[in-house]
Amino acid sequence: KNEVEQSPQNLTAQEGEFITINCSYSVGISALHWLQQHPGGGIVSLFMLSSGKKKHGRLIATINIQEKHSSLHITASHPRDSAVYICAVPPQGAQKLVFGQGTRLTINP
Amino acid sequence: EPEVTQTPSHQVTQMGQEVILRCVPISNHLYFYWYRQILGQKVEFLVSFYNNEISEKSEIFDDQFSVERPDGSNFTLKIRSTKLEDSAMYFCASSEVWFSGANVLTFGAGSRLTVL
Repeated sequence: KNEVEQSPQNLTAQEGEFITINCSYSVGISALHWLQQHPGGGIVSLFMLSSGKKKHGRLIATINIQEKHSSLHITASHPRDSAVYICAVPPQGAQKLVFGQGTRLTINP
Repeated sequence: EPEVTQTPSHQVTQMGQEVILRCVPISNHLYFYWYRQILGQKVEFLVSFYNNEISEKSEIFDDQFSVERPDGSNFTLKIRSTKLEDSAMYFCASSEVWFSGANVLTFGAGSRLTVL
């Protein structure tokens, strides 16, 4: 069983739409990470959260530790938001991140 | 903003050749990591490194791989006798404190390795 599952795998939307990407995990964690991978391949950390909600600009991340679930929301989506969004968790006691398979988001103008 | 710098951005090599991928972590960071991503697959952890020692490694990181901090700024990943299945994007990352999951890793832009 995969430790981290994301849905959907692919998401296409029109500019301005509200976007939700989901992440479920099966291991105990201290925090959950959301990252963005650009078409060129580079990885950028967006959020690290261990409870509740965090907001950065048009991006909002939420987590429910009891249900082992997190969501990433994008409000007023824009074509420049097109990227792969990845959820990753650090299993307790491990010095590493375990990555989900990513959600490929395409925002059409 | 401080960056993790990786070179080369793309390397093409013949099967069986040795490859060295280089990384310059953020200057005040002490903990270093390599991850890889085979095309179309998840990013996978390879190894973590601190104080000139490997701290943790995955089962992928076998005797074919080695890491080194040859000087005060570089952190290298050496792949001996490359195989076709080593073709991937290799990411270096660093952190200021020990990565316990509750702090952020800074990733480099990646080095794409193509083995022919």
